[in-house]
Amino acid sequence: ETGVTQSPTHLIKTRGQQVTLRCSSQSGHNTVSWYQQALGQGPQFIFQYYREEENGRGNFPPRFSGLQFPNYSSELNVNALELDDSALYLCASSSWTGSSSSDNSPLHFGNGTRLTVT
Amino acid sequence: KQEVTQIPAALSVPEGENLVLNCSFTDSAIYNLQWFRQDPGKGLTSLLLIQSSQREQTSGRLNASLDKSSGRSTLYIAASQPGDSATYLCAPALYDDYKLSFGAGTTVTVRA
Repeated sequence: ETGVTQSPTHLIKTRGQQVTLRCSSQSGHNTVSWYQQALGQGPQFIFQYYREEENGRGNFPPRFSGLQFPNYSSELNVNALELDDSALYLCASSSWTGSSSSDNSPLHFGNGTRLTVT
Repeated sequence: KQEVTQIPAALSVPEGENLVLNCSFTDSAIYNLQWFRQDPGKGLTSLLLIQSSQREQTSGRLNASLDKSSGRSTLYIAASQPGDSATYLCAPALYDDYKLSFGAGTTVTVRA
């Protein structure tokens, strides 16, 4: 069983630039979520994709956007980078039925992408 | 908005001691709660998922309890080992929501 893989592992960008982070979900999983984790804090939910559509979003501005592809892989795009965007970005996948909010599928996380904005 | 608090923030124990990690959350309308482990600079590893209908869940030396009505969960780690050194995070999931809400975690150091 292949786990969640993210690329790249580390990235350094300059303020104002744009960045794309990639995630391959675990085999058999149809839902992808993205989280931002600042140093010393717990992860914060950015958004979730199911069947190639965004179906939930946290308190992040529109310059954070995403895509999910037919093979359930996903991208996180961040435009106009700010210094505060420096963080570990985590991708998580799960197998969701889409029919109930009481689904108990655990989330499986990748190792993350460490983004540094200078 | 779900607020999650984990106490203590850090813990250092000698090898062999039992660990007790506490998690409290403000909104009890959850359908499950997950405990995760995070090693420095790494992603999250799921340890246990406890459903809202359960009182506890066990996996090896790990045991998680859930008191949904009081908004509390506790993770017990028996006979700690240096390899248990990591940050432990709890994350409840609300009904009709899509996200997990995380606490800041408890950083555990087990001394050999």
